[in-house]
Amino acid sequence: DIQMTQSPATVSATVGESVTITCRASQDIRNWVAWYQHKPGRAPKLLITKASSLESEVPSRFSGSGTGTLFTLTVARLLPDDSATYYCQNYHDFSGPMYVLGQGTRLEVE
Amino acid sequence: DVQLVESGGGLVQPGRSLRLSCAASGFVFDDFAMHWVRHSPGKGLEWVSGITWNGNTVDYADSVKGRFTISRDNAKKSVDLQMNSLRPEDTALYYCVKGSIVATSIFDFWGQGIPVTVSS
Repeated sequence: DIQMTQSPATVSATVGESVTITCRASQDIRNWVAWYQHKPGRAPKLLITKASSLESEVPSRFSGSGTGTLFTLTVARLLPDDSATYYCQNYHDFSGPMYVLGQGTRLEVE
Repeated sequence: DVQLVESGGGLVQPGRSLRLSCAASGFVFDDFAMHWVRHSPGKGLEWVSGITWNGNTVDYADSVKGRFTISRDNAKKSVDLQMNSLRPEDTALYYCVKGSIVATSIFDFWGQGIPVTVSS
């Protein structure tokens, strides 16, 4: 089974700074990566697909990159509202374990 | 607007059963795969189960395989999750999730979630 390992587990940053979250796949998954944002008490939100394609209405401060086994999510010009847990996901068309999500990275913006 | 409304959660004893339902609206339901994803206290998101648009293919996480069954009724625009032999570790907020047109296992819209607590 493919494993998705995120780092760091928790990150704190200041308003206006940038932060980068890393996601490593246990094998080559091309660009089959999505990123989600999950705020407490809210439904998770899809941010990025195909490693770098921003969903509509997602601010351009969010960006994704990577291919193969290493992927990153960068949030620039941080706002307090960006505080959330972020998850990467390996996806494929109904291939069972390939839906696996990373363990999450909690971002705290102060 | 897309809406996914979960129901059927609650408190149940270990070993008992519970059936979750999700009512969909605002999109052509039978064009899309549907999934259930859960969030356990202190843990991350975990994909639980998924079903293709026509119900011909279903899949489950290893942690629930053999105990949970997903089904859908396209006429009623609903997807259900039958949960049997429940365990305390199944305690979670369960989300009904819509698959994307880009790829069936991209989760492009989530319901608000329904809590399930397994405890004696």
